[in-house]
Amino acid sequence: NAGVTQTPKFQVLKTGQSMTLQCAQDMNHNSMYWYRQDPGMGLRLIYYSASEGTTDKGEVPNGYNVSRLNKREFSLRLESAAPSQTSVYFCASGEYGDYEQYFGPGTRLTVT
Amino acid sequence: QQQVKQSPQSLIVQKGGISIINCAYENTAFDYFPWYQQFPGKGPALLIAIRPDVSEKKEGRFTISFNKSAKQFSLHIMDSQPGDSATYFCAASDTGFQKLVFGTGTRLLVSP
Repeated sequence: NAGVTQTPKFQVLKTGQSMTLQCAQDMNHNSMYWYRQDPGMGLRLIYYSASEGTTDKGEVPNGYNVSRLNKREFSLRLESAAPSQTSVYFCASGEYGDYEQYFGPGTRLTVT
Repeated sequence: QQQVKQSPQSLIVQKGGISIINCAYENTAFDYFPWYQQFPGKGPALLIAIRPDVSEKKEGRFTISFNKSAKQFSLHIMDSQPGDSATYFCAASDTGFQKLVFGTGTRLLVSP
């Protein structure tokens, strides 16, 4: 089992460019999450999907969109990247009632 | 507004010593308090977690102490080892969808 996988591992964008971060899990979890991690800020929830077909905003959703493509895949899209979106992005998955979240290895994004 | 406050920001402990990291929360609806461990370049991984119906939980060298009346909980690492050097995040959740609120993290360095 690969667990939670994320692509790409690294990305550099220019201001205004768009991109999609991909996430997939093979643990048959219903819930999936996107976080960003910034120095001194911990991890902050961007969007989450409690189950296939549903998505909801987290703490810092502005500038992002998500798609729950199917039970396995949950993508995060930056339509017009800004330097403030320079961060490390983590995808996670979990199961209702279990509470534990399983994190992917992260995508380091730099916006210049 | 930071719902979970974590201290210290960084900590240096000698090998064999006790590492203590503290967290305080405000939302009395929180009912799950995990600690995540993160090594450089990796995603966070669940280390240990506690529910508010117990005051302490121990797993090997790791112990969570929980004080419901003070709305505080802490992680104790006994006999700290260089391999424990990592960033530790406390977190809290109040919903079945496991929307975790993270502290800002503590970078622990255990010197040989």
